[in-house]
Amino acid sequence: QKEVEQNSGPLSVPEGAIASLNCTYSDRGSQSFFWYRQYSGKSPELIMFIYSNGDKEDGRFTAQLNKASQYVSLLIRDSQPSDSATYLCAGKNTGFQKLVFGTGTRLLVSP
Amino acid sequence: DAGVIQSPRHEVTEMGQEVTLRCKPISGHDYLFWYRQTMMRGLELLIYFNNNVPIDDSGMPEDRFSAKMPNASFSTLKIQPSEPRDSAVYFCASSFGTATEAFFGQGTRLTVV
Repeated sequence: QKEVEQNSGPLSVPEGAIASLNCTYSDRGSQSFFWYRQYSGKSPELIMFIYSNGDKEDGRFTAQLNKASQYVSLLIRDSQPSDSATYLCAGKNTGFQKLVFGTGTRLLVSP
Repeated sequence: DAGVIQSPRHEVTEMGQEVTLRCKPISGHDYLFWYRQTMMRGLELLIYFNNNVPIDDSGMPEDRFSAKMPNASFSTLKIQPSEPRDSAVYFCASSFGTATEAFFGQGTRLTVV
């Protein structure tokens, strides 16, 4: 079992809808979580990070963390075709710089 | 800053040959990471350095893989001998201190035939 699990998708949503991307993790030592976006053939780029239980909002993006359930999610409001990409969830233990990534969820936003 | 720079962008080599991938981290960053990405396994951490010192190489798959960081501005990942199953995209990333974000280079797409 991988330490960070994601559904590979694709997740298809129409333009303007809310896209919900989910991630579970097995290492309870993981304290910080990161969402990276990766366009096809490109490198990952950070969208958001979260380390406290609850919600964190940044523009159209909201990250949610539930440490009791070992669950992380990313909501994308008003989805745009340009949001079509693979979204990578990653976890990090406190004190370590090692990021452990899930395999990613492919998101397709149709016009 | 130009970001993390990797070379070459693409490499095609024959099985058994030595392959060297290169990385220049962002100036001032003290952490450097080497990742490998495949469809099946996703993005896997191979090794990371702090202040040029290898900290965790538990992700290095075999003795055929080795990585060095002779100074703060340069790192190499070497595969000798290469095998077809080494075909993947290799990313280098760097970060500063306990800052949360790791910045990725554009990657090297390695194909071993």
